[in-house]
Amino acid sequence: EAGVVQSPRYKIIEKKQPVAFWCNPISGHNTLYWYLQNLGQGPELLIRYENEEAVDDSQLPKDRFSAERLKGVDSTLKIQPAELGDSAVYLCASSLGSGTSGRTDTQYFGPGTRLTVL
Amino acid sequence: EDQVTQSPEALRLQEGESSSLNCSYTVSGLRGLFWYRQDPGKGPEFLFTLYSAGEEKEKERLKATLTKKESFLHITAPKPEDSATYLCAVPNQAGTALIFGKGTTLSVSS
Repeated sequence: EAGVVQSPRYKIIEKKQPVAFWCNPISGHNTLYWYLQNLGQGPELLIRYENEEAVDDSQLPKDRFSAERLKGVDSTLKIQPAELGDSAVYLCASSLGSGTSGRTDTQYFGPGTRLTVL
Repeated sequence: EDQVTQSPEALRLQEGESSSLNCSYTVSGLRGLFWYRQDPGKGPEFLFTLYSAGEEKEKERLKATLTKKESFLHITAPKPEDSATYLCAVPNQAGTALIFGKGTTLSVSS
């Protein structure tokens, strides 16, 4: 079974330029997450989708970041314009759902996109 | 505030030298505790989920245990290929996101 697919794996851009990341979750997984990981830190949630609906985007910097999950399958995260501080690894994860009966479903991560803003 | 603290930050072991990694958490109503392994340049790879105090899970040389306030990842007779960063995470109180610790970077030398 294929895991979470992300592209590109690496991206180098000049500041103020736009950039987009793509994610295809594990087949059948309804919940999709975008995380940000800085060097030496654990991942931090940016946005969570239940099917095509963004149900938690409180940590997404909405002035420059946007995301979409059309048709409830793959997803795109965009930054426009990029700033130097956006350099990080952007991780996509998916899970069957959010969980039931007080148990959270396991999240499976993709390989990430390493963004460098110059 | 929900928090996850991992210790030590870094651990160097000789091949065959067993040890433990610690993950302490402060969150009400634990909905699961997750251990991941992350190799350089890769995404976190799922290892274990623990849901109840007293629960234990094993995979090869790794064994994860859970109490009401912390979890341990025991590594028995490690090999160089066990070298990686091990991340611990718990769901926030709403169960909507994972809160990760900073990880423990393990280096095993032969």
